Amino acid sequence: AQRVTQPEKLLSVFKGAPVELKCNYSYSGSPELFWYVQYSRQRLQLLLRHISRESIKGFTADLNKGETSFHLKKPFAQEEDSAMYYCALSPGGGADGLTFGKGTHLIIQP
Amino acid sequence: DGGITQSPKYLFRKEGQNVTLSCEQNLNHDAMYWYRQDPGQGLRLIYYSQIVNDFQKGDIAEGYSVSREKKESFPLTVTSAQKNPTAFYLCASSFTPPGFHGYTFGSGTRLTVV
Repeated sequence: AQRVTQPEKLLSVFKGAPVELKCNYSYSGSPELFWYVQYSRQRLQLLLRHISRESIKGFTADLNKGETSFHLKKPFAQEEDSAMYYCALSPGGGADGLTFGKGTHLIIQP
Repeated sequence: DGGITQSPKYLFRKEGQNVTLSCEQNLNHDAMYWYRQDPGQGLRLIYYSQIVNDFQKGDIAEGYSVSREKKESFPLTVTSAQKNPTAFYLCASSFTPPGFHGYTFGSGTRLTVV
C-alpha cells in the first residue's frame, strides 16, 4: 500500500526566509503527487499538482522519483503562508481517493 | 459559500447509536469521498464513490456505511460497530479524474460520542 510521510509536524521560519516542507512517499508505480493547504478558518484546498509544473503563490514542488520525494519550496516566506500543509498521493489521478500525509503546520514569524 | 455542504457542523451521539452525516454538492461532480481526521493523523479515506449507485471501501471502512442514490448526495453512517467514532469527518467531491481543480472539500462535521 502507498504511504506519504511528512517528517515535520511543525515548521517555524521568519518572514523573508526560504521555506521547504518535506514530503516522502512510498509507492511501487508512478503516482501523482499533490500539495493541499488549509488556512486558518478555511477549508482544505488544492495548492498544486506535480504534473502541472507550475508555481502557485510562489510555491513550487518537484517530483524526485529517485528519492521518492515531493518537497514544497518557497524562496521568501510571507506571513500569509502560515497554514497547515498536506502532501497527498494518488496511484491514478485521484478519482480513487488520495493518501494524505499527517501534515505540517507552517508558522511564519514576523 | 459553496459547492459542498456538510451538516451538521457538530454532532453528539450516545454509545451504541448509529448516526448519519450529510454531504451534499451542487458542483456536478461525479466522485465523492469521506475522510476521517484525527489529531496528528492526517486524513484517512473511509469510502469513496465515482458514480451513482456505486462506492468503494477506503482504508478504514470498518464500522461505517455509505449510499450514493443521487449524484449530489453521499451520506455517511457511523454505526455502533465503529470502536472509536469521535473524530472530525471531511467530505470531498471532484470530477473524474479530478483534473486541474482537484478535490473540493466541505467544512467538516465534528462527531463526539458521549
